[in-house]
Formats: sequence, C-alpha cells, structure tokens
Amino acid sequence: NAGVTQTPKFRVLKTGQSMTLLCAQDMNHEYMYWYRQDPGMGLRLIHYSVGEGTTAKGEVPDGYNVSRLKKQNFLLGLESAAPSQTSVYFCASSQDLGYGYTFGSGTRLTVV
Amino acid sequence: ELKVEQNPLFLSMQEGKNYTIYCNYSTTSDRLYWYRQDPGKSLESLFVLLSNGAVKQEGRLMASLDTKARLSTLHITAAVHDLSATYFCAVITGTASKLTFGTGTRLQVTL
Repeated sequence: NAGVTQTPKFRVLKTGQSMTLLCAQDMNHEYMYWYRQDPGMGLRLIHYSVGEGTTAKGEVPDGYNVSRLKKQNFLLGLESAAPSQTSVYFCASSQDLGYGYTFGSGTRLTVV
Repeated sequence: ELKVEQNPLFLSMQEGKNYTIYCNYSTTSDRLYWYRQDPGKSLESLFVLLSNGAVKQEGRLMASLDTKARLSTLHITAAVHDLSATYFCAVITGTASKLTFGTGTRLQVTL
C-alpha cells in the first residue's frame, strides 16, 4: 500500500518555465489537497478537491492551477514559475475526518 | 479567517526535562491534529483530538484539547533526543475537511 505518492521529488526551474506536480493516492480517498511549506510559515493550502472532477481555491492559489480528472490523481500546475514559488510542496489526501490527512513525501522546487 | 498560533516557535531543552507546547486557534472547532516533521521529511500524524476534554498519550507525548478555551497542549515528559523534530498543530475549518496549520514548534533536545 503506497499511500500518497508525489513526483518529482526535486526540481529546479528557470523563471517563466512551466511544470506539473503529480500526486497519486491508492486509498480511494475523496478529498485531496496541495500545500506549500515555507520556513516560519507552516503549511498553507493552495488548492483542494472534494472529489473527482472538482477543485477549489485555498489560501494561496495565485500562480497555480489544479486538475482532478481521476479520483486517484491530483495535479498541480505552475504555468509561469516565479522565484516566490520556491518552496516544498506537499500533497495530502483524506477520507475520514477522524484520522486527518495522509501526506506525500513532498516535492522540493527551486525557481531560479 | 481561522488563525492557529503555536508557542514557543523554538524550544531547546535538556534530556529528562518536561515541557509543554501550546496551540491556540481563533474560531470554533472540535477537531485538532498534531503532526511531527523530521528535517527534510514529510508530516507524520501523532494525535487526533475529536472532542472537548480529549486527551491522548503516546510514549512521552501527551496531547489535550480544550475547545472552550480554543487551546490544545502537547506535553513532553522526560524528553529524549529522539523527540527532536518540528511539531505542528492543525485545526479543521469549514467544509471539505480543510486543515489550517500552526507555524510549528521546532524542538531540540540536547544531550
């Protein structure tokens, strides 16, 4: 049981480049989330999804887009990367409020 | 807007000592979570507190929740070096089970 898998684990982008981060879960969870983690700021919600085909904005959605075409996958896109998007990105999924989230291992993104 | 505040932000303590990390939140919620994060790693779930007065214990860590005071505590008993990590509290907000995280408390246990 792999849980939540994020790819890639590391990436360096040049300003203006685009990329997609992939999150895959094999637990049949309905809810999926993308967070970014920056030093001293905890984790901040970028976008989330409450089920296949649905997405919604979180606390810091600007500069990101998401899609959830299949229940098990949640994609995070950066259309034109900026240095301010240098961060560690975590994907998480949830089915039962009583157990909280299952987190992926994270993607460390550097935009130069 | 829900705000979650943790204090202290950094804690250096000697092995064998006791200490408490505090988590305050600004709006009503009856679910609170504690996570641990080791450097360069993902977040590991420690405790899920689902009601007022809930208390959970695992080894040297004990978490409690007071929903009326909007306060949760994470108490460390007789700290050991292996507990060195960053600890986050998080509160459920609104629909879709969105978690709002505190800024984290970096715990360093010295030998």
